[in-house]
Amino acid sequence: DTGVSQDPRHKITKRGQNVTFRCDPISEHNRLYWYRQTLGQGPEFLTYFQNEAQLEKSRLLSDRFSAERPKGSFSTLEIQRTEQGDSAMYLCASSLIKNTGELFFGEGSRLTVL
Amino acid sequence: QKEVEQNSGPLSVPEGAIASLNCTYSDRVSQSFFWYRQYSGKSPELIMSIYSNGDKEDGRFTAQLNKASQYVSLLIRDSQPSDSATYLCAAFKFSGGGADGLTFGKGTHLIIQP
Repeated sequence: DTGVSQDPRHKITKRGQNVTFRCDPISEHNRLYWYRQTLGQGPEFLTYFQNEAQLEKSRLLSDRFSAERPKGSFSTLEIQRTEQGDSAMYLCASSLIKNTGELFFGEGSRLTVL
Repeated sequence: QKEVEQNSGPLSVPEGAIASLNCTYSDRVSQSFFWYRQYSGKSPELIMSIYSNGDKEDGRFTAQLNKASQYVSLLIRDSQPSDSATYLCAAFKFSGGGADGLTFGKGTHLIIQP
């Protein structure tokens, strides 16, 4: 399978715990994005990388959120001290630079904070 | 005012009819537009992109763009039950950062009645 893969698919955690999600993009794609989606809403942009550089972060991204893409391949999104409001689907997507806007999404990582 | 507006629906269409999905955007500098389909519990999938005024056809799908009216639409001909999904409209503008230039609407829930 050469699509975008995310792990874990589901995560249930208690408030205050830290969680980390991993995303493996399509291999030839140099852009990688993280979005968050809640029920009844469209995806909301969180951050994106071009190769290993994190080029932009949304105002939605609090200091408890950090993302890395250390070698320009896979990426991780960590949420520290989780809150119930963090419960959502975290979507990773990748694209080629020339086709910005044409995103390929992974299946998502669903987070439930109890 | 949200940047991309869609009627959340549900929009119910009989099988075999034409489904018409509409979207408006507020930022005139938006340059390109995309339709993503999202099945329940799944991630968004790109189905159409449109970059210039007029119509673009791909199989049963036609995307229409009117930049003067800031209006985008998606027509689905010969609707099938498998077309039942949420359709997300997205607008892209070059903002210097790239990814946060892609803004999604809330989506329209389409139901094709057999």
